[in-house]
Amino acid sequence: DVVMTQTPLSSPVTLGQPASISCRSSQSLVHSDGNTYLSWLHQRPGQPPRLLIYKISNRFSGVPDRFSGSGAGTDFTLKISRVEAEDVGVYYCMQATHFPLTFGGGTKVEIK
Amino acid sequence: EVQLVESGGGLVQPGGSLRLSCAASGFPFSSYSMHWVRQDPGKGLMWVSRIIRDGSATAYADSVKGRFTISRDNSRNTLYLQMNSLRAGDTAVYYCVRGLHGSGSYSDWGQGTLVTVSS
Repeated sequence: DVVMTQTPLSSPVTLGQPASISCRSSQSLVHSDGNTYLSWLHQRPGQPPRLLIYKISNRFSGVPDRFSGSGAGTDFTLKISRVEAEDVGVYYCMQATHFPLTFGGGTKVEIK
Repeated sequence: EVQLVESGGGLVQPGGSLRLSCAASGFPFSSYSMHWVRQDPGKGLMWVSRIIRDGSATAYADSVKGRFTISRDNSRNTLYLQMNSLRAGDTAVYYCVRGLHGSGSYSDWGQGTLVTVSS
Protein backbone atom coordinates (compact mmCIF):
# COMPACT_ATOMS: atom_id res chain seq x y z
CA ASP A 1 0.00 0.00 0.00
CA VAL A 2 1.08 3.59 -0.62
CA VAL A 3 2.19 5.21 2.63
CA MET A 4 1.25 8.86 3.07
CA THR A 5 3.45 10.75 5.54
CA GLN A 6 2.34 14.14 6.82
CA THR A 7 4.43 16.75 8.59
CA PRO A 8 4.20 18.31 11.05
CA LEU A 9 2.02 16.23 13.33
CA SER A 10 0.88 19.39 15.05
CA SER A 11 0.95 23.02 14.01
CA PRO A 12 0.20 25.82 16.48
CA VAL A 13 -0.56 28.93 14.48
CA THR A 14 -1.45 32.55 15.17
CA LEU A 15 -4.73 33.85 13.81
CA GLY A 16 -4.15 35.71 10.56
CA GLN A 17 -0.81 34.04 9.95
CA PRO A 18 -0.09 31.43 7.25
CA ALA A 19 0.16 27.71 7.81
CA SER A 20 1.63 24.95 5.70
CA ILE A 21 1.27 21.17 5.81
CA SER A 22 3.40 18.71 3.89
CA CYS A 23 2.40 15.30 2.57
CA ARG A 24 4.82 12.81 1.06
CA SER A 25 3.85 9.56 -0.65
CA SER A 26 5.95 6.39 -0.77
CA GLN A 27 5.56 6.26 -4.55
CA SER A 28 4.58 8.60 -7.34
CA LEU A 29 0.91 9.52 -7.41
CA VAL A 30 0.81 10.17 -11.16
CA HIS A 31 -1.86 7.90 -12.59
CA SER A 32 -1.56 6.22 -15.99
CA ASP A 33 -4.33 8.59 -17.17
CA GLY A 34 -2.04 11.55 -16.45
CA ASN A 35 -3.93 12.79 -13.38
CA THR A 36 -2.57 12.92 -9.85
CA TYR A 37 -5.28 11.90 -7.40
CA LEU A 38 -4.10 13.67 -4.27
CA SER A 39 -6.71 15.30 -2.06
CA TRP A 40 -6.82 17.23 1.19
CA LEU A 41 -9.53 16.86 3.82
CA HIS A 42 -10.32 18.84 6.97
CA GLN A 43 -11.96 17.40 10.06
CA ARG A 44 -13.25 19.58 12.88
CA PRO A 45 -13.73 18.00 16.32
CA GLY A 46 -16.83 15.82 16.41
CA GLN A 47 -17.45 16.18 12.69
CA PRO A 48 -16.78 13.96 9.68
CA PRO A 49 -14.00 14.99 7.32
CA ARG A 50 -14.85 17.34 4.48
CA LEU A 51 -13.17 17.79 1.15
CA LEU A 52 -11.01 20.86 0.61
CA ILE A 53 -8.78 20.16 -2.39
CA TYR A 54 -8.75 17.43 -5.05
CA LYS A 55 -6.25 16.53 -7.81
CA ILE A 56 -3.49 18.47 -6.03
CA SER A 57 -4.82 22.00 -6.43
CA ASN A 58 -8.55 22.09 -7.25
CA ARG A 59 -10.61 23.71 -4.52
CA PHE A 60 -13.91 21.96 -3.87
CA SER A 61 -17.16 23.90 -4.04
CA GLY A 62 -17.47 26.46 -1.24
CA VAL A 63 -13.88 26.18 -0.02
CA PRO A 64 -12.37 29.62 0.70
CA ASP A 65 -9.54 30.75 -1.54
CA ARG A 66 -7.20 31.06 1.43
CA PHE A 67 -6.71 27.30 0.97
CA SER A 68 -4.37 26.23 -1.80
CA GLY A 69 -2.70 23.01 -2.81
CA SER A 70 0.47 22.36 -4.76
CA GLY A 71 3.04 19.71 -5.52
CA ALA A 72 3.81 16.89 -7.89
CA GLY A 73 4.95 13.28 -7.96
CA THR A 74 5.49 12.38 -4.31
CA ASP A 75 5.59 15.75 -2.53
CA PHE A 76 2.55 17.87 -1.86
CA THR A 77 1.67 20.91 0.24
CA LEU A 78 -1.49 22.46 1.63
CA LYS A 79 -1.25 26.13 2.48
CA ILE A 80 -3.59 28.36 4.41
CA SER A 81 -2.77 31.98 3.61
CA ARG A 82 -4.31 33.47 6.74
CA VAL A 83 -5.56 31.10 9.42
CA GLU A 84 -9.02 31.75 10.82
CA ALA A 85 -10.56 30.30 13.98
CA GLU A 86 -12.76 27.92 11.97
CA ASP A 87 -9.66 26.33 10.42
CA VAL A 88 -8.73 24.42 13.59
CA GLY A 89 -8.90 20.65 13.43
CA VAL A 90 -7.07 17.85 11.70
CA TYR A 91 -6.00 17.92 8.07
CA TYR A 92 -5.52 14.73 6.08
CA CYS A 93 -4.04 14.06 2.69
CA MET A 94 -5.31 11.07 0.74
CA GLN A 95 -4.35 9.35 -2.48
CA ALA A 96 -6.59 7.49 -4.90
CA THR A 97 -4.06 6.80 -7.65
CA HIS A 98 -3.12 3.38 -6.35
CA PHE A 99 -5.36 0.68 -4.89
CA PRO A 100 -6.18 0.72 -2.04
CA LEU A 101 -6.89 4.36 -1.40
CA THR A 102 -4.82 5.53 1.59
CA PHE A 103 -4.74 8.49 3.96
CA GLY A 104 -2.03 10.39 5.75
CA GLY A 105 -1.89 10.24 9.54
CA GLY A 106 -3.19 13.78 9.95
CA THR A 107 -1.87 17.18 11.03
CA LYS A 108 -3.54 18.95 13.91
CA VAL A 109 -3.88 22.70 13.47
CA GLU A 110 -4.55 24.67 16.62
CA ILE A 111 -4.49 28.32 17.54
CA LYS A 112 -1.63 29.57 19.69
CA GLU B 1 -28.99 19.08 0.00
CA VAL B 2 -26.99 15.87 0.01
CA GLN B 3 -27.64 13.72 3.06
CA LEU B 4 -26.01 10.45 4.06
CA VAL B 5 -27.39 8.94 7.24
CA GLU B 6 -25.73 5.84 8.66
CA SER B 7 -27.34 3.43 11.09
CA GLY B 8 -26.83 -0.03 12.49
CA GLY B 9 -23.74 0.48 14.62
CA GLY B 10 -23.46 -0.73 18.20
CA LEU B 11 -21.70 -3.06 20.59
CA VAL B 12 -21.03 -6.58 19.36
CA GLN B 13 -18.94 -9.45 20.69
CA PRO B 14 -15.89 -10.72 18.80
CA GLY B 15 -16.99 -13.10 16.10
CA GLY B 16 -20.37 -11.44 15.82
CA SER B 17 -22.07 -9.66 12.94
CA LEU B 18 -23.58 -6.29 12.20
CA ARG B 19 -25.23 -4.74 9.19
CA LEU B 20 -24.71 -1.05 8.58
CA SER B 21 -27.07 0.97 6.42
CA CYS B 22 -26.69 4.37 4.80
CA ALA B 23 -29.79 6.22 3.63
CA ALA B 24 -28.93 8.66 0.85
CA SER B 25 -30.93 11.65 -0.34
CA GLY B 26 -30.52 14.90 -2.25
CA PHE B 27 -28.74 13.42 -5.25
CA PRO B 28 -29.27 10.68 -7.89
CA PHE B 29 -27.96 7.79 -5.79
CA SER B 30 -27.70 5.34 -8.68
CA SER B 31 -25.31 7.70 -10.52
CA TYR B 32 -22.53 7.56 -7.92
CA SER B 33 -20.04 5.06 -6.64
CA MET B 34 -20.27 4.75 -2.87
CA HIS B 35 -17.69 3.87 -0.25
CA TRP B 36 -17.29 2.98 3.39
CA VAL B 37 -14.40 4.58 5.28
CA ARG B 38 -13.68 3.96 8.95
CA GLN B 39 -11.90 5.96 11.59
CA ASP B 40 -10.19 4.39 14.54
CA PRO B 41 -9.19 7.06 17.11
CA GLY B 42 -5.74 5.51 17.34
CA LYS B 43 -5.06 4.90 13.65
CA GLY B 44 -6.79 7.57 11.65
CA LEU B 45 -8.77 7.00 8.48
CA MET B 46 -8.93 3.74 6.54
CA TRP B 47 -10.78 3.00 3.33
CA VAL B 48 -12.91 -0.11 3.77
CA SER B 49 -14.90 -0.82 0.63
CA ARG B 50 -16.34 0.56 -2.62
CA ILE B 51 -19.25 -0.30 -4.86
CA ILE B 52 -19.83 1.10 -8.32
CA ARG B 53 -23.03 2.71 -9.51
CA ASP B 54 -24.97 -0.36 -10.57
CA GLY B 55 -23.52 -2.62 -7.89
CA SER B 56 -21.84 -4.94 -10.37
CA ALA B 57 -18.32 -4.41 -9.02
CA THR B 58 -16.99 -4.13 -5.49
CA ALA B 59 -13.63 -3.77 -3.81
CA TYR B 60 -12.35 -4.29 -0.27
CA ALA B 61 -9.40 -3.53 1.93
CA ASP B 62 -7.34 -6.65 2.57
CA SER B 63 -8.10 -6.50 6.29
CA VAL B 64 -11.85 -6.95 5.72
CA LYS B 65 -11.90 -9.06 2.56
CA GLY B 66 -13.90 -12.24 3.04
CA ARG B 67 -15.61 -10.88 6.16
CA PHE B 68 -17.37 -7.73 4.95
CA THR B 69 -19.82 -7.38 2.05
CA ILE B 70 -20.85 -4.08 0.51
CA SER B 71 -24.12 -3.82 -1.39
CA ARG B 72 -26.65 -1.26 -2.49
CA ASP B 73 -30.33 -0.98 -3.29
CA ASN B 74 -30.75 1.79 -5.82
CA SER B 75 -34.54 1.56 -5.61
CA ARG B 76 -34.29 2.44 -1.91
CA ASN B 77 -31.31 4.84 -2.21
CA THR B 78 -29.54 2.79 0.43
CA LEU B 79 -25.99 1.50 0.87
CA TYR B 80 -25.16 -1.45 3.11
CA LEU B 81 -22.17 -3.02 4.78
CA GLN B 82 -22.60 -6.54 6.15
CA MET B 83 -19.86 -7.20 8.66
CA ASN B 84 -19.21 -10.77 9.82
CA SER B 85 -16.53 -12.36 12.02
CA LEU B 86 -15.94 -9.04 13.69
CA ARG B 87 -12.68 -8.43 15.55
CA ALA B 88 -11.58 -5.91 18.14
CA GLY B 89 -9.56 -4.19 15.44
CA ASP B 90 -12.78 -3.41 13.55
CA THR B 91 -13.83 -1.03 16.31
CA ALA B 92 -14.24 2.36 14.65
CA VAL B 93 -16.64 4.99 13.40
CA TYR B 94 -17.87 3.90 9.98
CA TYR B 95 -18.63 6.60 7.43
CA CYS B 96 -20.72 6.31 4.31
CA VAL B 97 -19.07 8.41 1.61
CA ARG B 98 -20.02 9.60 -1.85
CA GLY B 99 -17.42 9.63 -4.60
CA LEU B 100 -16.81 12.81 -6.58
CA HIS B 101 -16.76 11.99 -10.30
CA GLY B 102 -13.31 12.15 -11.86
CA SER B 103 -11.61 13.51 -8.77
CA GLY B 104 -10.38 10.44 -6.93
CA SER B 105 -11.94 11.95 -3.84
CA TYR B 106 -15.08 12.20 -1.74
CA SER B 107 -17.56 15.04 -1.95
CA ASP B 108 -19.85 14.05 0.93
CA TRP B 109 -19.58 12.17 4.20
CA GLY B 110 -22.24 10.95 6.59
CA GLN B 111 -22.00 11.64 10.31
CA GLY B 112 -20.81 8.09 10.93
CA THR B 113 -21.96 5.18 13.07
CA LEU B 114 -19.86 3.71 15.88
CA VAL B 115 -19.08 0.00 15.87
CA THR B 116 -17.56 -1.39 19.05
CA VAL B 117 -16.32 -4.97 19.09
CA SER B 118 -15.75 -6.11 22.64
CA SER B 119 -16.62 -8.92 25.01
